[in-house]
Parts: sequence; structure tokens; C-alpha cells
Amino acid sequence: NAGVTQTPKFRILKIGQSMTLQCAQDMNHNYMYWYRQDPGMGLKLIYYSVGAGITDKGEVPNGYNVSRSTTEDFPLRLELAAPSQTSVYFCASSSPGRSETQYFGPGTRLLVL
Amino acid sequence: AQKITQTQPGMFVQEKEAVTLDCTYDTSDQSYGLFWYKQPSSGEMIFLIYQGSYDEQNATEGRYSLNFQKARKSANLVISASQLGDSAMYFCAMREGNKGYQGGKLIFGQGTELSVKP
Repeated sequence: NAGVTQTPKFRILKIGQSMTLQCAQDMNHNYMYWYRQDPGMGLKLIYYSVGAGITDKGEVPNGYNVSRSTTEDFPLRLELAAPSQTSVYFCASSSPGRSETQYFGPGTRLLVL
Repeated sequence: AQKITQTQPGMFVQEKEAVTLDCTYDTSDQSYGLFWYKQPSSGEMIFLIYQGSYDEQNATEGRYSLNFQKARKSANLVISASQLGDSAMYFCAMREGNKGYQGGKLIFGQGTELSVKP
């Protein structure tokens, strides 16, 4: 059981470039989330999904897009990268239940120069 | 609006002693969940403990316990018998109650950096 996996681990982008951050989970969780963590801060929600084909915005969605075509995968797309998107990106998943505890992937460190 | 406040940017504790990390929250929901996560220097987010707003007992998981005081809206993490490996950033987080949409979004505090001294 790999849990939540993310690729790549680290990436440098030039301003204006685009990229997709990959996230996959093998726990058959319905819910998936993308967060970003800026230096010295807590995590902020970018987008989330409650199932395949269903996505919604979080607190900081501008500059990002998501899709959820399968239960397992939840990619995050950055269009026209900006220095303000330099951050660590975490994907998480959870299932319906009493706690809906979210389990996180290892993170992707993104630097936009 | 929901908010999580962690007022201790950094804490020091002697190895084998207990330490309390503070967390206060603000919500108008009756149903909500409170979580603590550990983030070591390697960067991953590790789930530690969960407390539901309707749970009558304080949650415990091994050396971790959550001191839940609902009237004061506080959810402090207590780590007993600190170990060197406990040195990390600790985040308190709150899950909003379901409002018909399913899927519990988390709101995080800014974290407390704990350093355990030998």
C-alpha cells in the first residue's frame, strides 16, 4: 500500500511555463485535496474533489486547475507560472466516516524563477 | 469565519519531559473535527490524533493526547515523555462540519516548532 504518491518531488519552472503536478492514491478514498504551504506557514486548500468528475475550489484556487477522471488520480495544473506560486504542494486523500482523516503525500517543492 | 490559532511559534522541551502545544479555534459549527499533524524536517505531514466535537473523552494515541476544552474552544496537544525524534513542526487543523457537500476541508494553524533537548 503506497498511500498517497506525488510526482515530481522538486521542479524549477520559468515564469510563464506550465506544468502538471501528479497525485495518486491507492486507498480507494473518495475525497482528494490539493494544498500549498508557503515558508513558515500552515497549509492552504487550493482545490478538492469528492469523487470522480466532481471538483471544487478551495481558499486559493487562482492560477490552478484540476480534474478528477478516476478515483485514484487528482492532477493539479499550473498555467502561466508566477513567482507567487513558489511553494510546497501537498496532495491528500480521505474517505467518508467519523473523522475523515486526511493522509498526505510527500509533497512537491516548486520554484518559479 | 473558521480560524485556527497557534500562539507559540517555537517551544523547547527537555528529553523525557512532557510538553503542551496550544491550539485555539473559532467556528460557529456544532459539528467539527480537530486534528494534529507533525511535520519533521523531511517535510511530510504525519497524522497524529483526532478529536470530534461531540466526543466526550479526550483523544489519546500512544504518547499523544488532546486536551479538548470545548467551552474555551481549545484543543491542546500534550506529548508525554518527549523524545529527540519529536523535534518537528506541529500543526493544529480543523475540519468544517458537513453542510450538505461532503468532504471535510481542513483549515490549518501556522504551526509550532518543537525542539527537544537531550
